[in-house]
Amino acid sequence: GAGVSQSPRYKVAKRGQDVALRCDPISGHVSLFWYQQALGQGPEFLTYFQNEAQLDKSGLPSDRFFAERPEGSVSTLKIQRTQQEDSAVYLCASSVQGRNSPLHFGNGTRLTVT
Amino acid sequence: GENVEQHPSTLSVQEGDSAVIKCTYSDSASNYFPWYKQELGKRPQLIIDIRSNVGEKKDQRIAVTLNKTAKHFSLHITETQPEDSAVYFCAASSAGGSQGNLIFGKGTKLSVKP
Repeated sequence: GAGVSQSPRYKVAKRGQDVALRCDPISGHVSLFWYQQALGQGPEFLTYFQNEAQLDKSGLPSDRFFAERPEGSVSTLKIQRTQQEDSAVYLCASSVQGRNSPLHFGNGTRLTVT
Repeated sequence: GENVEQHPSTLSVQEGDSAVIKCTYSDSASNYFPWYKQELGKRPQLIIDIRSNVGEKKDQRIAVTLNKTAKHFSLHITETQPEDSAVYFCAASSAGGSQGNLIFGKGTKLSVKP
């Protein structure tokens, strides 16, 4: 596709449920990033992939968060046993290469945990 | 790690006036500084970026300046128009870790009054 595609666009989960968020990056983009954006805040880094390798997961807030990109293209961010503080917009971004390359963001998934 | 501070948090200008947003960063090894515009409910979109080997870059009504010694960079928008109203985020590359991660400021909400 022409841009980064994320699904679902909105997700409502009851506390304790597991959720899976999907990201389809721009074709050919090597690098893929996940960011969390709370209301009124800037995006905060969660994790980074180069092809299928997860090179940095230092931003994942807890072991309930898990991300994968098994074939170096589509990525999934999974949150287990969701908590209210997980409510945020989850943004995926891709770039041609990692360092110093413009990031192209998707529209994000707005997660609301009730 | 890198820390990015952004000011002001809100900015209101009259149509046709100039707007300036300033950011400071902490890691002297950072060398890539993009600016993103985010309209309500939409994805962040890159509007301009600068690398540390230049001090200024201009694209029509938008310019960015970088002072590496002082570790600050600024976005300048001239002849503002109502469609410039949005939240603007500055970011700086993280020199360590993932080699591609961006650290974002908290954003500036710009309102251009017609």
